Amino acid sequence: EVQLVESGGNLVQPGGSLRLSCAASGFSFSDYWMSWVRQAPGKGLEWLARVKPDGSEKYYVDSVKGRFTISRDNAKNSLYLQMNSLRAEDTAVYYCASGLGGYWGQGTLVTVSS
Amino acid sequence: DVVMTQSPLSLPVTLGQPASISCRSSQSLVYSDGNTYLNWFQQRPGQSPRRLIYKVSNRDSGVPDRFSGSGSGTDFTLKISRVEAEDVGVYYCMQSKNWPLTFGGGTKVEIK
Repeated sequence: EVQLVESGGNLVQPGGSLRLSCAASGFSFSDYWMSWVRQAPGKGLEWLARVKPDGSEKYYVDSVKGRFTISRDNAKNSLYLQMNSLRAEDTAVYYCASGLGGYWGQGTLVTVSS
Repeated sequence: DVVMTQSPLSLPVTLGQPASISCRSSQSLVYSDGNTYLNWFQQRPGQSPRRLIYKVSNRDSGVPDRFSGSGSGTDFTLKISRVEAEDVGVYYCMQSKNWPLTFGGGTKVEIK
């Protein structure tokens, strides 16, 4: 059974940092592009970043470029999102997703507030 | 960026009746490989999104055959042949032709 389990969400002050993790199992993680997608409270979906299977290519949406960094560790079947310079508008549930959305985790909540 | 526009915003449906959601993209979603990269997602209340359809009309594993996708170029449709109670939720179209990948604003399906 495919599982994606996110962790690391928390309450953080504006300007702060947070690192999200996603543990994958049940599929060949190292063969898949992996992504982070977020959903602000009561809002729609925003695809934030994606990383190639070998980690050599990374893409970011403009709203997080220069502040967020996606990375992966294929030996640990894990995906990460380092989030710096957090803003109130980054408050959302953050999902990891495989490929083009074939599998999703349950999400982890990030709240940016003073 | 490719802008995805869905209609209607809200869709009240009677159980057992059909439902149809429209999605329009600001540019063609036909890629150089000949494929059209339009996907549909369902998000039930309190749940993570789930992909239903990829490349316009291909159902993902486990998706009931009452869901079907159609369309071409810039105009696409998701149809539910007979709505069931478990179909309540928000439906999103998403283009995966160009980065950044972009979603429509969502269509909320509810039972009348």
